[in-house]
Amino acid sequence: AQSVAQPEDQVNVAEGNPLTVKCTYSVSGNPYLFWYVQYPNRGLQFLLKYITGDNLVKGSYGFEAEFNKSQTSFHLKKPSALVSDSALYFCAVRVPRDFNKFYFGSGTKLNVKP
Amino acid sequence: NAGVTQTPKFQVLKTGQSMTLQCAQDMNHNSMYWYRQDPGMGLRLIYYSASEGTTDKGEVPNGYNVSRLNKREFSLRLESAAPSQTSVYFCASSDGTSGGFYEQYFGPGTRLTVT
Repeated sequence: AQSVAQPEDQVNVAEGNPLTVKCTYSVSGNPYLFWYVQYPNRGLQFLLKYITGDNLVKGSYGFEAEFNKSQTSFHLKKPSALVSDSALYFCAVRVPRDFNKFYFGSGTKLNVKP
Repeated sequence: NAGVTQTPKFQVLKTGQSMTLQCAQDMNHNSMYWYRQDPGMGLRLIYYSASEGTTDKGEVPNGYNVSRLNKREFSLRLESAAPSQTSVYFCASSDGTSGGFYEQYFGPGTRLTVT
């Protein structure tokens, strides 16, 4: 069965410090990997994705993510956090042979304190 | 270009009542999805439609039905609402037939309370 894990329910970081939100996956084949952000009372917004190629992908709002095939991880990172980055973050995967489905992690709440 | 729109934004139902949640997208996407979001459980797929004329069950389909009315519209129906269906419902769309590397676009959600 396909699964996505976000091991931290909540991540706290001070403004200006680097942040990391973790994601690991267990799927068959080579997945496509995505990060989404959800602000309060809003739908999910796409941040970035990994399809193939360079393991470090850059996305919206200064976020980037590192794909690690051996560790089956796709951690979201930002060099310098902003208070406005505070939101709920979801990792998702799409797998070969079943492109119709996305599998989501349970979400990580990021709190950036001034 | 409105993206994905959902109606209504809020709804309160009594147990046993029925209702239909509407979703439309203007991005010419083939695939459309319905999810529910509950605290601590992320998004769970209810139903999806890979293309116009097809629908399939997701992870939690019980108590729901769907209709892919045309390429733009995908509705979700609760025939007899139950308190366990209190949730936030999201519709999403994606280009699902071009190798799978396209992301999903989400609507703003419908907050449903069943009393």
